Amino acid sequence: AQSVTQPDIHITVSEGASLELRCNYSYGATPYLFWYVQSPGQGLQLLLKYFSGDTLVQGIKGFEAEFKRSQSSFNLRKPSVHWSDAAEYFCAVGVEYGNKLVFGAGTILRVKS
Amino acid sequence: DGGITQSPKYLFRKEGQNVTLSCEQNLNHDAMYWYRQDPGQGLRLIYYSQIVNDFQKGDIAEGYSVSREKKESFPLTVTSAQKNPTAFYLCASRGESQPQHFGDGTRLSIL
Repeated sequence: AQSVTQPDIHITVSEGASLELRCNYSYGATPYLFWYVQSPGQGLQLLLKYFSGDTLVQGIKGFEAEFKRSQSSFNLRKPSVHWSDAAEYFCAVGVEYGNKLVFGAGTILRVKS
Repeated sequence: DGGITQSPKYLFRKEGQNVTLSCEQNLNHDAMYWYRQDPGQGLRLIYYSQIVNDFQKGDIAEGYSVSREKKESFPLTVTSAQKNPTAFYLCASRGESQPQHFGDGTRLSIL
């Protein structure tokens, strides 16, 4: 069965520090991969997606992610975190040709000044 | 502006009562989805619809029902059979070869 694992439930970083959020997936076919961000009480906003091609994808708000097939990973990175980045981040894999999403449990990012 | 509108933002249900959550989109998307979100569990798929007058069960459909009579609307009914309905409910839609786009959610609580 398809699954997504986000090993870190909470991460705290200092403002201006770099960030990496981990995501590992289990899926038999070529995956469609996504990162979404959610502020408290709000819906999810798409940060970036990987469908095919270049394994390093750029997203909004200065985020990027790298697809590594050999490690079944799609980690999210940002070189310098801003206080406004504090939120919950979800990794997801698209299955059935992207018609359905399977989500990880999320990682809550706290930013300390 | 195009988007997804979920209403109401907060909803309260009495024991034994059915309640309906509204989801409307003006993005002209064919596919629509309902998710349930509980703390620490991510999002779980309740129902989805890829075309008008057709829908499929997701992973946790028991105690829920949906209809898809119009392309732009995909209401979710939480029935009295759903014993633990307190959660945050998210609706999404998707265009051809596009990522899913989400509404702002409805928080359902039990009185």
